[in-house]
Amino acid sequence: QVQLVESGGGVVQPGTSLRLSCAASGFTFSNYDMHWVRQAPGKGLEWVAVIWYDGSTKYYGDSVKGRFTISRDNSRNTLFLQVNSLRPEDTAVYYCARRAQAAWVYIGDWGQGTLVTVSS
Amino acid sequence: QSALTQPPSASGSPGQSVTISCTGTSSDVGGSKYVSWYQQYPGKVPKLIIYEVSNRPSGVPDRFSGSKSANTASLTVSGLQAEDEADYYCSSSRGRNSVVFGGGTKLTVL
Repeated sequence: QVQLVESGGGVVQPGTSLRLSCAASGFTFSNYDMHWVRQAPGKGLEWVAVIWYDGSTKYYGDSVKGRFTISRDNSRNTLFLQVNSLRPEDTAVYYCARRAQAAWVYIGDWGQGTLVTVSS
Repeated sequence: QSALTQPPSASGSPGQSVTISCTGTSSDVGGSKYVSWYQQYPGKVPKLIIYEVSNRPSGVPDRFSGSKSANTASLTVSGLQAEDEADYYCSSSRGRNSVVFGGGTKLTVL
Protein backbone atom coordinates (compact mmCIF):
# COMPACT_ATOMS: atom_id res chain seq x y z
CA GLN A 1 0.00 0.00 0.00
CA VAL A 2 1.06 3.58 -0.58
CA GLN A 3 3.00 5.09 2.30
CA LEU A 4 4.18 8.67 2.53
CA VAL A 5 6.04 9.63 5.69
CA GLU A 6 7.04 13.24 6.22
CA SER A 7 9.74 14.46 8.57
CA GLY A 8 11.75 17.59 9.30
CA GLY A 9 9.13 19.81 10.86
CA GLY A 10 9.61 21.67 14.12
CA VAL A 11 9.56 25.02 15.88
CA VAL A 12 11.75 27.62 14.19
CA GLN A 13 12.27 31.35 14.36
CA PRO A 14 11.18 33.75 11.62
CA GLY A 15 13.74 34.13 8.86
CA THR A 16 15.23 30.68 9.28
CA SER A 17 15.15 27.63 7.03
CA LEU A 18 14.09 23.99 7.15
CA ARG A 19 14.22 21.03 4.84
CA LEU A 20 11.21 18.78 4.88
CA SER A 21 11.50 15.20 3.64
CA CYS A 22 8.96 12.63 2.55
CA ALA A 23 9.88 8.95 2.34
CA ALA A 24 7.71 7.11 -0.17
CA SER A 25 7.05 3.39 -0.37
CA GLY A 26 4.52 0.92 -1.74
CA PHE A 27 4.64 2.24 -5.31
CA THR A 28 7.10 3.13 -8.04
CA PHE A 29 8.03 6.60 -6.83
CA SER A 30 9.82 7.59 -10.04
CA ASN A 31 6.59 7.19 -12.02
CA TYR A 32 4.58 9.79 -10.10
CA ASP A 33 4.34 13.56 -9.93
CA MET A 34 4.42 14.65 -6.30
CA HIS A 35 2.94 17.59 -4.39
CA TRP A 36 3.35 19.50 -1.16
CA VAL A 37 0.15 20.90 0.35
CA ARG A 38 -0.09 22.74 3.65
CA GLN A 39 -2.83 23.42 6.16
CA ALA A 40 -2.54 26.04 8.88
CA PRO A 41 -4.04 24.98 12.24
CA GLY A 42 -7.82 25.14 12.01
CA LYS A 43 -7.64 26.53 8.46
CA GLY A 44 -8.08 25.34 4.90
CA LEU A 45 -5.82 23.63 2.43
CA GLU A 46 -3.21 25.54 0.45
CA TRP A 47 -1.36 24.06 -2.50
CA VAL A 48 2.39 24.64 -2.20
CA ALA A 49 4.22 22.97 -5.07
CA VAL A 50 4.40 20.07 -7.52
CA ILE A 51 7.31 18.31 -9.17
CA TRP A 52 7.12 16.12 -12.23
CA TYR A 53 7.96 12.42 -11.89
CA ASP A 54 11.42 12.96 -13.37
CA GLY A 55 12.12 16.28 -11.66
CA SER A 56 12.06 18.15 -14.96
CA THR A 57 9.25 20.54 -14.10
CA LYS A 58 8.33 22.33 -10.88
CA TYR A 59 5.44 24.67 -10.16
CA TYR A 60 4.80 26.73 -7.04
CA GLY A 61 1.99 28.55 -5.32
CA ASP A 62 2.23 32.34 -5.38
CA SER A 63 2.76 32.70 -1.63
CA VAL A 64 5.89 30.52 -1.60
CA LYS A 65 7.51 31.34 -4.95
CA GLY A 66 11.11 32.35 -4.50
CA ARG A 67 11.30 31.04 -0.92
CA PHE A 68 10.47 27.33 -1.22
CA THR A 69 12.11 24.75 -3.46
CA ILE A 70 10.70 21.33 -4.24
CA SER A 71 13.05 18.53 -5.27
CA ARG A 72 13.24 14.75 -5.31
CA ASP A 73 15.71 11.90 -5.26
CA ASN A 74 14.24 9.00 -7.18
CA SER A 75 17.13 6.73 -6.19
CA ARG A 76 16.11 7.17 -2.54
CA ASN A 77 12.32 7.39 -3.11
CA THR A 78 12.32 10.70 -1.29
CA LEU A 79 10.61 14.05 -1.87
CA PHE A 80 11.97 17.27 -0.36
CA LEU A 81 10.79 20.78 0.35
CA GLN A 82 13.41 23.39 1.19
CA VAL A 83 11.67 26.21 3.02
CA ASN A 84 13.61 29.47 3.43
CA SER A 85 12.93 32.88 4.94
CA LEU A 86 10.16 31.42 7.07
CA ARG A 87 7.34 33.68 8.22
CA PRO A 88 4.76 33.18 11.00
CA GLU A 89 2.12 32.70 8.29
CA ASP A 90 4.03 29.63 7.06
CA THR A 91 3.00 27.83 10.25
CA ALA A 92 1.11 24.76 9.07
CA VAL A 93 1.02 21.02 8.70
CA TYR A 94 2.89 20.22 5.51
CA TYR A 95 1.56 17.21 3.61
CA CYS A 96 3.47 15.23 1.04
CA ALA A 97 1.04 13.91 -1.56
CA ARG A 98 0.97 11.73 -4.66
CA ARG A 99 -0.94 12.77 -7.73
CA ALA A 100 -4.09 10.92 -8.66
CA GLN A 101 -4.21 8.90 -11.87
CA ALA A 102 -6.57 11.27 -13.67
CA ALA A 103 -4.27 14.30 -13.87
CA TRP A 104 -1.40 15.93 -12.04
CA VAL A 105 -3.68 18.58 -10.53
CA TYR A 106 -5.52 16.02 -8.43
CA ILE A 107 -4.18 14.45 -5.26
CA GLY A 108 -4.83 10.78 -4.67
CA ASP A 109 -2.74 9.91 -1.62
CA TRP A 110 -1.55 11.93 1.35
CA GLY A 111 1.01 11.51 4.08
CA GLN A 112 0.10 12.28 7.67
CA GLY A 113 1.96 15.57 7.59
CA THR A 114 4.72 17.30 9.51
CA LEU A 115 4.03 20.42 11.58
CA VAL A 116 6.12 23.53 11.02
CA THR A 117 5.70 26.27 13.61
CA VAL A 118 7.32 29.62 12.95
CA SER A 119 7.51 31.69 16.10
CA SER A 120 9.90 33.93 17.95
CA GLN B 1 -3.06 33.37 -4.54
CA SER B 2 -6.71 34.09 -3.69
CA ALA B 3 -8.60 31.03 -2.64
CA LEU B 4 -11.79 29.95 -4.32
CA THR B 5 -14.86 31.13 -2.40
CA GLN B 6 -16.93 28.60 -0.46
CA PRO B 7 -19.56 29.17 2.22
CA PRO B 8 -18.03 28.46 5.64
CA SER B 9 -20.87 26.17 6.64
CA ALA B 10 -23.75 24.14 5.30
CA SER B 11 -26.22 21.82 6.94
CA GLY B 12 -29.03 19.41 6.29
CA SER B 13 -31.06 16.69 7.92
CA PRO B 14 -30.54 12.99 7.23
CA GLY B 15 -32.03 12.01 3.90
CA GLN B 16 -32.05 15.56 2.55
CA SER B 17 -29.84 16.99 -0.17
CA VAL B 18 -27.36 19.77 0.35
CA THR B 19 -25.34 21.72 -2.21
CA ILE B 20 -22.04 23.46 -1.56
CA SER B 21 -20.88 26.15 -3.96
CA CYS B 22 -17.38 27.09 -5.03
CA THR B 23 -16.89 30.37 -6.86
CA GLY B 24 -13.80 31.31 -8.79
CA THR B 25 -12.97 33.23 -11.91
CA SER B 26 -12.55 32.60 -15.60
CA SER B 27 -8.88 31.92 -14.86
CA ASP B 28 -9.66 28.90 -12.75
CA VAL B 29 -13.10 27.32 -12.26
CA GLY B 30 -14.71 28.98 -15.26
CA GLY B 31 -11.90 28.12 -17.63
CA SER B 32 -10.91 24.70 -16.36
CA LYS B 33 -12.19 21.16 -16.58
CA TYR B 34 -9.89 20.26 -13.68
CA VAL B 35 -12.29 21.02 -10.87
CA SER B 36 -12.30 18.67 -7.91
CA TRP B 37 -13.68 18.19 -4.41
CA TYR B 38 -12.07 16.74 -1.30
CA GLN B 39 -13.64 15.48 1.92
CA GLN B 40 -11.74 15.82 5.19
CA TYR B 41 -12.75 14.47 8.58
CA PRO B 42 -11.33 16.14 11.72
CA GLY B 43 -7.78 15.02 12.33
CA LYS B 44 -7.66 13.07 9.07
CA VAL B 45 -6.16 13.70 5.66
CA PRO B 46 -8.32 14.85 2.74
CA LYS B 47 -9.84 12.39 0.30
CA LEU B 48 -10.60 13.07 -3.36
CA ILE B 49 -14.33 12.54 -3.97
CA ILE B 50 -14.93 14.36 -7.27
CA TYR B 51 -12.58 15.12 -10.15
CA GLU B 52 -12.96 16.67 -13.58
CA VAL B 53 -16.06 18.54 -12.37
CA SER B 54 -18.35 15.53 -12.02
CA ASN B 55 -16.43 12.26 -11.99
CA ARG B 56 -16.25 10.05 -8.91
CA PRO B 57 -13.21 7.93 -8.08
CA SER B 58 -13.87 4.28 -7.50
CA GLY B 59 -15.48 3.65 -4.12
CA VAL B 60 -17.09 7.07 -3.69
CA PRO B 61 -20.86 6.72 -3.23
CA ASP B 62 -23.04 8.07 -6.03
CA ARG B 63 -24.74 10.26 -3.43
CA PHE B 64 -21.92 12.68 -4.19
CA SER B 65 -22.21 14.60 -7.44
CA GLY B 66 -20.50 17.60 -8.97
CA SER B 67 -21.39 20.20 -11.54
CA LYS B 68 -20.25 23.54 -12.87
CA SER B 69 -21.86 26.62 -14.34
CA ALA B 70 -19.71 29.54 -15.49
CA ASN B 71 -17.33 30.41 -12.65
CA THR B 72 -19.14 28.39 -9.98
CA ALA B 73 -18.75 24.71 -9.23
CA SER B 74 -21.09 22.81 -6.96
CA LEU B 75 -20.99 19.66 -4.86
CA THR B 76 -24.32 18.03 -4.06
CA VAL B 77 -24.70 15.41 -1.38
CA SER B 78 -27.99 13.56 -1.76
CA GLY B 79 -29.59 11.32 0.83
CA LEU B 80 -27.50 12.93 3.55
CA GLN B 81 -26.04 10.52 6.11
CA ALA B 82 -24.42 11.16 9.47
CA GLU B 83 -21.07 9.99 8.08
CA ASP B 84 -21.12 12.84 5.56
CA GLU B 85 -20.44 15.35 8.32
CA ALA B 86 -16.98 16.66 7.39
CA ASP B 87 -15.15 19.56 5.81
CA TYR B 88 -15.33 19.84 2.03
CA TYR B 89 -12.82 21.65 -0.17
CA CYS B 90 -13.09 22.49 -3.83
CA SER B 91 -10.01 22.81 -6.00
CA SER B 92 -9.25 23.95 -9.52
CA SER B 93 -6.33 24.32 -11.83
CA ARG B 94 -5.43 27.95 -12.46
CA GLY B 95 -3.68 28.42 -15.74
CA ARG B 96 -1.38 25.62 -16.77
CA ASN B 97 0.88 25.61 -13.74
CA SER B 98 -1.05 26.18 -10.57
CA VAL B 99 -3.66 24.68 -8.30
CA VAL B 100 -5.94 26.62 -5.99
CA PHE B 101 -8.18 25.40 -3.18
CA GLY B 102 -11.35 26.84 -1.75
CA GLY B 103 -11.53 27.98 1.85
CA GLY B 104 -13.55 24.94 2.87
CA THR B 105 -17.11 24.28 3.98
CA LYS B 106 -18.05 22.54 7.19
CA LEU B 107 -21.03 20.29 6.52
CA THR B 108 -23.20 19.53 9.54
CA VAL B 109 -25.80 16.76 9.55
CA LEU B 110 -28.56 17.92 11.87
